[in-house]
Amino acid sequence: KNEVEQSPQNLTAQEGEFITINCSYSVGISALHWLQQHPGGGIVSLFMLSSGKKKHGRLIATINIQEKHSSLHITASHPRDSAVYICAVNRLRGATNKLIFGTGTLLAVQP
Amino acid sequence: DAMVIQNPRYQVTQFGKPVTLSCSQTLNHNVMYWYQQKSSQAPKLLFHYYDKDFNNEADTPDNFQSRRPNTSFCFLDIRSPGLGDAAMYLCATSRDWDPSEKLFFGSGTQLSVL
Repeated sequence: KNEVEQSPQNLTAQEGEFITINCSYSVGISALHWLQQHPGGGIVSLFMLSSGKKKHGRLIATINIQEKHSSLHITASHPRDSAVYICAVNRLRGATNKLIFGTGTLLAVQP
Repeated sequence: DAMVIQNPRYQVTQFGKPVTLSCSQTLNHNVMYWYQQKSSQAPKLLFHYYDKDFNNEADTPDNFQSRRPNTSFCFLDIRSPGLGDAAMYLCATSRDWDPSEKLFFGSGTQLSVL
């Protein structure tokens, strides 16, 4: 079982819909990252969270440390949001910045 | 302006022909990472540098080497590329080694092996 699990693996939405992508992890963490990767492209860091909630434009990320769960929300989705969204965590123990990646959620937003 | 720059964006090489991928950063970060990402898979850390200290992941093949001649530049050398080495190679940086430091990624180099 992966230490970082995402759901759903694939998501198709209509333009304007509210989207939620979930991430659960089984290890103690010091930080959780939400990353975006467009097809054939590099990775863009969207959020880094250790508690609470962060908002940037139409994107909102929340984390519940007790439940070991994070969500990424996209409001008023747009076709340009189509990408793979990856959840990744830093382990709590050890002085390491090595990320443990989830397998990603492929989002397609249709006009 | 791009802060982590990878060149080239696409690289084609022949089976067994050495290839070098480059990464530069304008952030003056201490740590630089190289990740390999195969199609539909999560990125896999190959190695990282903290300043000039090189740290190899245990399962990184010997075929992969790296150089960091100065703070700004880091190179990934694949000595004898095989078909299985075709992948996206991602460079990333962080200011320090602390887990709370944000990572900054380059746009990647897509490597094809013919």
